[in-house]
Amino acid sequence: EPEVTQTPSHQVTQMGQEVILRCVPISNHLYFYWYRQILGQKVEFLVSFYNNEISEKSEIFDDQFSVERPDGSNFTLKIRSTKLEDSAMYFCASSETGQGVGRTGAFFGQGTRLTVV
Amino acid sequence: AQSVAQPEDQVNVAEGNPLTVKCTYSVSGNPYLFWYVQYPNRGLQFLLKYITGDNLVKGSYGFEAEFNKSQTSFHLKKPSALVSDSALYFCAVRAMNYGGSQGNLIFGKGTKLSVKP
Repeated sequence: EPEVTQTPSHQVTQMGQEVILRCVPISNHLYFYWYRQILGQKVEFLVSFYNNEISEKSEIFDDQFSVERPDGSNFTLKIRSTKLEDSAMYFCASSETGQGVGRTGAFFGQGTRLTVV
Repeated sequence: AQSVAQPEDQVNVAEGNPLTVKCTYSVSGNPYLFWYVQYPNRGLQFLLKYITGDNLVKGSYGFEAEFNKSQTSFHLKKPSALVSDSALYFCAVRAMNYGGSQGNLIFGKGTKLSVKP
């Protein structure tokens, strides 16, 4: 079964440092997403990406965040200057079509646990 | 505001008994509703969705969910629980965006299902 893969599974970084979270979406998918889950809280939408540009972003996704699809396979989330409150599980997802359309929902990766110290 | 509520943090069921994981939603317009499951150290896996049509939706692993418009609910059910069903279950609704953009998912906080032998 195809799956979304994320690396690393766990990243520890010092406050103020830049981090890049990496994702390999499913190869024929066109829509890409990042969500995050702060420990004990809801899964929250960050950003969606389609046709090499951001199609939607939440208020969480401020100027310190950026996304990129540097080549045909990877989809990255960069946090420029990490804060303690950025500590969370970050999920990448991809889908063939937009959310809710099509045979299945989005496929999610296993997540990257980011710990900012 | 659009939201999803999962009123139970944990549901405990004996193997072989029916299970229900509750979800209610608040959304503008007609909802697109989803259930995802998260096993330990795995990403979110799509279980089923409701877009239109029959109120009873069947999904993976024998799960089903019933859409009830008057009660704004989308409870997840299974007639006979298995120990292997023990996991974290998330209900989600697709946000309706104006202007035609693809909406993101709004997740509930998750319900931990524990099935004992």
